Amino acid sequence: NAGVTQTPKFRVLKTGQSMTLLCAQDMNHEYMYWYRQDPGMGLRLIHYSVGEGTTAKGEVPDGYNVSRLKKQNFLLGLESAAPSQTSVYFCASLTGGVLNTEAFFGQGTRLTVV
Amino acid sequence: AQKVTQAQTEISVVEKEDVTLDCVYETRDTTYYLFWYKQPPSGELVFLIRRNSFDEQNEISGRYSWNFQKSTSSFNFTITASQVVDSAVYFCAARGTNDYKLSFGAGTTVTVRA
Repeated sequence: NAGVTQTPKFRVLKTGQSMTLLCAQDMNHEYMYWYRQDPGMGLRLIHYSVGEGTTAKGEVPDGYNVSRLKKQNFLLGLESAAPSQTSVYFCASLTGGVLNTEAFFGQGTRLTVV
Repeated sequence: AQKVTQAQTEISVVEKEDVTLDCVYETRDTTYYLFWYKQPPSGELVFLIRRNSFDEQNEISGRYSWNFQKSTSSFNFTITASQVVDSAVYFCAARGTNDYKLSFGAGTTVTVRA
């Protein structure tokens, strides 16, 4: 059982380049999230999804886009990378409903924009 | 939306001392879920505990214990007889049952010295 898998684990981009981070979960979870982690700031929510075909903005959505075409996948896109987007990105999934559980996290993607 | 505050930025202790991490949350939801996560130096996020707002029983699990006080909106976490392997960043998180967002505090870095 893989849980939550993020691809890639590391990436270096030049300013202005684009890329897509993939998050895949095999737990049939409804909710999926993208966070960024920066020193001293904890985890800040970028975008999230409450089900296939739905997305919503979190705290820091600017410069990012997301898509959830399939329930198991949640993609995070950077159309034109900026040095301020250098960060560690975490994806998480969570089952919905009354029988709530903890969020399961991927291993993180370390992105450097030069 | 929830707001989670971890006022302690860093805590340093000597092995075998107890460590208590503070967490204060703000929410408009009448029912909600509270979590503690651990992030060791390797970088992954490890789930530790989950607490429902409608269950105020405080528990102990091995060397971990938590104190949930709805009256003061606090959800403190204690490591008893700390060990070097407990050195990590600890995050408190909250999610309301009517809010899909999972909100994190800024984290507390715990260093346990031998």
